[in-house]
Amino acid sequence: DIQMTQSPSSLSASVGDRVTITCRASQGIRNDLGWYQQKPGKAPERLIYAASSLQSGVPSRFSGSGSGTEFTLTISSLQPEDFATYYCLQHNSYPRTFGQGTKVEIK
Amino acid sequence: EVQLVESGGGLAQPGGSLRLSCAASGFTFSDLYMDWFRQAPGKGLEWVGRVRNKANRYTTEYAASVKGRFTISRDDSKNSLYLQMNFLKTEDTAVYYCARCRQGSSPDYWGQGTLVTVSS
Repeated sequence: DIQMTQSPSSLSASVGDRVTITCRASQGIRNDLGWYQQKPGKAPERLIYAASSLQSGVPSRFSGSGSGTEFTLTISSLQPEDFATYYCLQHNSYPRTFGQGTKVEIK
Repeated sequence: EVQLVESGGGLAQPGGSLRLSCAASGFTFSDLYMDWFRQAPGKGLEWVGRVRNKANRYTTEYAASVKGRFTISRDDSKNSLYLQMNFLKTEDTAVYYCARCRQGSSPDYWGQGTLVTVSS
């Protein structure tokens, strides 16, 4: 199975801060990675697909980069509605596997 | 508008069975692959399994934790996805989500989830 190591597990940030979340795959997965945002009691929503493509309707302050084993999700200027938990998901091979999640909290 | 609506969750006893459904609308259901995911209380997301489309013979994939106990199926005439869960364990307690997926991509739309509680 491919292990996805996501860091940090949590972070505290202020509105307007730049935030970076990292996922590392235990083996190369090309660009077969998506990033998801989940708010309490809600379903996940896809932000990024194919590692760096912005999902339609998602604000441009979200961006993704990386290929192979190292991936990052960046929020250029954190907004109040961005406080949530973020997950990466690899879809290169079965079983599909998620990172452990990053909880973004208000400082 | 794409909609995925899960139903069928509830309380089941260990060793028991439950069948979840996912009603799809707003897109051509038969074209896409469909996945099930779950999330135990306070925990992260876990992939459960997949059913491919007719062009790929409705073949399935499962997580090791559910293989042999859970069965994923679909009825394209009803735009519906199913998850038959047998021999339930307490560790199967979770919110279960269905999600649609284009071949070669990550799931883009998810349902709102249905809670399954396995307890005596």
